[in-house]
Amino acid sequence: KAGVTQTPRYLIKTRGQQVTLSCSPISGHRSVSWYQQTPGQGLQFLFEYFSETQRNKGNFPGRFSGRQFSNSRSEMNVSTLELGDSALYLCASSLATGRNEKLFFGSGTQLSVL
Amino acid sequence: AQSVTQPDIHITVSEGASLELRCNYSYGATPYLFWYVQSPGQGLQLLLKYFSGDTLVQGIKGFEAEFKRSQSSFNLRKPSVHWSDAAEYFCAVGFNDYKLSFGAGTTVTVRA
Repeated sequence: KAGVTQTPRYLIKTRGQQVTLSCSPISGHRSVSWYQQTPGQGLQFLFEYFSETQRNKGNFPGRFSGRQFSNSRSEMNVSTLELGDSALYLCASSLATGRNEKLFFGSGTQLSVL
Repeated sequence: AQSVTQPDIHITVSEGASLELRCNYSYGATPYLFWYVQSPGQGLQLLLKYFSGDTLVQGIKGFEAEFKRSQSSFNLRKPSVHWSDAAEYFCAVGFNDYKLSFGAGTTVTVRA
């Protein structure tokens, strides 16, 4: 069974640009969540999608948005990039059938903002 | 305030020696508890998790963790470390299966 797939693996953008990251969850997984990892702030929850609906959101500005498609694939968008947005963006998926779930992470997209 | 604390930023251990990584949490109720490992440039791999029941949890790669409610701790242990265990380890807590709060991480270096 394929794991969580994130594309692209690396991305370089300049300030003010926007970027879209993609995540394909494990087959059959309906929940997709996104995390930002930086050396200074560590791992922080961005948001989670289930059945195309955002269920929960972390404390990030509105420049960070996402969506989920009917096949459970998810995209994350960051507009008007800032230097501080440079980070490893991790996507995770789970079956979301209830308690005792496991969260499976992808290898991440390393975003560098110049 | 709600928090997850990993007191040790960096631990160096000799190959074959035992390893213990500390994790403490501060929440009103007992959350779900997790340990993840991250190798350089990689995502997170789940080592083990505690939801309820037996307080000693067995995980993959020979790791185990013990939940101690009285101490609000969930320490990770391995009896004999291998060079391949060198990585960063994260303790995480949550009240559902998708929104986790992570500790700052502990980097483990294994010396020959």
